[in-house]
Amino acid sequence: EVQLLESGGGLVQPGGSLRLSCAASGFTFSNYNMNWVRQAPGRGLEWVSVISKGGDTTYSADSVKGRFTTSRDNSKDTLYLQMNSLRAEDTAVYYCAKDWYCSSVSCYYDFWGQGTLVTVSS
Amino acid sequence: AIQLTQSPSSLSASVGDRVTITCRASQGFSSALAWYQHKPGKVPKLLIYDASSLRSGVPSRFSGSGSGTEFTLTINSLQPEDFATYYCQQFSRYPLTFGGGTKVEIK
Repeated sequence: EVQLLESGGGLVQPGGSLRLSCAASGFTFSNYNMNWVRQAPGRGLEWVSVISKGGDTTYSADSVKGRFTTSRDNSKDTLYLQMNSLRAEDTAVYYCAKDWYCSSVSCYYDFWGQGTLVTVSS
Repeated sequence: AIQLTQSPSSLSASVGDRVTITCRASQGFSSALAWYQHKPGKVPKLLIYDASSLRSGVPSRFSGSGSGTEFTLTINSLQPEDFATYYCQQFSRYPLTFGGGTKVEIK
């Protein structure tokens, strides 16, 4: 059974840093791209970033570019999101999500962790 | 970045109704679009991928269509479990982007 377990969320002051982890099990982690998606309180979903299977390629949303870094350790089946220079608007539940299927058009993710809450406040 | 605009942002409907949600893109692309259903306290669920392909296990009352700059999600014969927020997301180019969501509420 595919399982994704996020951790590392919590309360941090504006300008601070936090590292989220997503521990994967039940599948061959190194075979899948992995994504981060977030949802701020009362707001919609926002895609944050993706990292390729081998970890050599990442893309991120304009809103986090230069502040957040996505990485992975395939030997530990773990995905990371290093968040620096945090702002109040980064307050959200952060989900990791695994690619589910790649068609001839694109790869789509569907398996999600339960999320971890990050609160940026003084 | 490709901006996705969903309409309406919310709607009220009754069980058995047919519901249509539209997702308009700021730039055209072929079919790299997905629809997700999200209920409070749950993780999002993929319904449709490649604009019109039904994810396995999703009821056939859900369907998707469109290409270019306009895409639609249709729910035929709305069921009580369908009351949720629906999001489109484009997978055509990075950064990936979501629409703002459409909340489907009980009339």
